[in-house]
Amino acid sequence: EADIYQTPRYLVIGTGKKITLECSQTMGHDKMYWYQQDPGMELHLIHYSYGVNSTEKGDLSSESTVSRIRTEHFPLTLESARPSHTSQYLCASSESWGEGTDTQYFGPGTRLTVL
Amino acid sequence: AQSVTQLGSHVSVSEGALVLLRCNYSSSVPPYLFWYVQYPNQGLQLLLKYTTGATLVKGINGFEAEFKKSETSFHLTKPSAHMSDAAEYFCAVSVGDGTGNQFYFGTGTSLTVIP
Repeated sequence: EADIYQTPRYLVIGTGKKITLECSQTMGHDKMYWYQQDPGMELHLIHYSYGVNSTEKGDLSSESTVSRIRTEHFPLTLESARPSHTSQYLCASSESWGEGTDTQYFGPGTRLTVL
Repeated sequence: AQSVTQLGSHVSVSEGALVLLRCNYSSSVPPYLFWYVQYPNQGLQLLLKYTTGATLVKGINGFEAEFKKSETSFHLTKPSAHMSDAAEYFCAVSVGDGTGNQFYFGTGTSLTVIP
């Protein structure tokens, strides 16, 4: 069973606030990912990391930023939240980055609502 | 370019009936294929995956999927639906590019099981 955690699970916040969504995994995985998920839509990759001090932007443009100072921790930050940021955010990790066979393990998600 | 198409955003079956969720993909290189399940307010959980070898893959909870290269399909089936199967199902393609792999998700199929 995968051990990947996200906090908070639900967050309702006002426009303009700075927020950080936490993601931690205890599996020692090198690769970590952040996805944005809206109802009826595919998951959109917004950030990923190959390992410590590595961060890359994904396919979907996002105003968020990420950091990877420790292997197990991959927080996502919004400097100034807006209603358009309302969505579900899913964190994932995978063990290796070989030729596509590694499985992504997902956290439970953070449902963000910006008023 | 890689893409995943899930036919039918909503599927309803009677309890005990066959479950068939369709997934077609396009990929310029041999793909690795995954099915994930998402229960309400939870993250995605791996059901099964195809990497190489036998084209019929068995997963958890009695689900299986068959990779058909000629049809570029990876449909998910279960002989007899159970009430606990009601969830959102996502098909995904993973392609390695030598430095890592990217996942491409379908838009999901919501499965309803009618008692």
